[in-house]
Amino acid sequence: DTAVSQTPKYLVTQMGNDKSIKCEQNLGHDTMYWYKQDSKKFLKIMFSYNNKELIINETVPNRFSPKSPDKAHLNLHINSLELGDSAVYFCASSRQGTRHTEAFFGQGTRLTVV
Amino acid sequence: AQTVTQSQPEMSVQEAETVTLSCTYDTSESDYYLFWYKQPPSRQMILVIRQEAYKQQNATENRFSVNFQKAAKSFSLKISDSQLGDAAMYFCAYRRAGYSTLTFGKGTMLLVSP
Repeated sequence: DTAVSQTPKYLVTQMGNDKSIKCEQNLGHDTMYWYKQDSKKFLKIMFSYNNKELIINETVPNRFSPKSPDKAHLNLHINSLELGDSAVYFCASSRQGTRHTEAFFGQGTRLTVV
Repeated sequence: AQTVTQSQPEMSVQEAETVTLSCTYDTSESDYYLFWYKQPPSRQMILVIRQEAYKQQNATENRFSVNFQKAAKSFSLKISDSQLGDAAMYFCAYRRAGYSTLTFGKGTMLLVSP
């Protein structure tokens, strides 16, 4: 069973479109994240959700909106896509409250805006 | 703000040899965690090894071990008996205790030759 799964794996779309990336985790974790990996492979946190509440939003344009219907899901909606949004987006999850929590990552979604 | 620096964009090693990847970090915290993640061409982010700052003993996982020098803020990864499957991008990451998000270095591409 896949611990953290994202769909789709690849997404090609035109500028100006609106798209969503879905993420689900079956680990029982209470915190989920979206990370962005740019063309130079640099990974940076975008959002963090703990128990369905947003706790971090790292200067991400408001065209990006995370939505968490429940603790196991964290979707990423992107409006008015721009060329610069092309990147790999990773969903991850972890458990809070323990000293040994670690983040488990999904397989990533490669978004290409043309 | 915490920063993580990986000064080696690329490293090469021959099969069965040993290679060390460097990582330094900057933080004013005393309690934190350090990680090495592996990203093969499949794009999946895989946790290789984890170190708690309060533990003086260096972490080991089979062929992977770290040299954690807290005073020097250094966290290097040693891969022994390198295998072709070790070829990947390796990311060093930092997480402050009590916080959930990871700060990544820019990565080191490891090439393994037969």
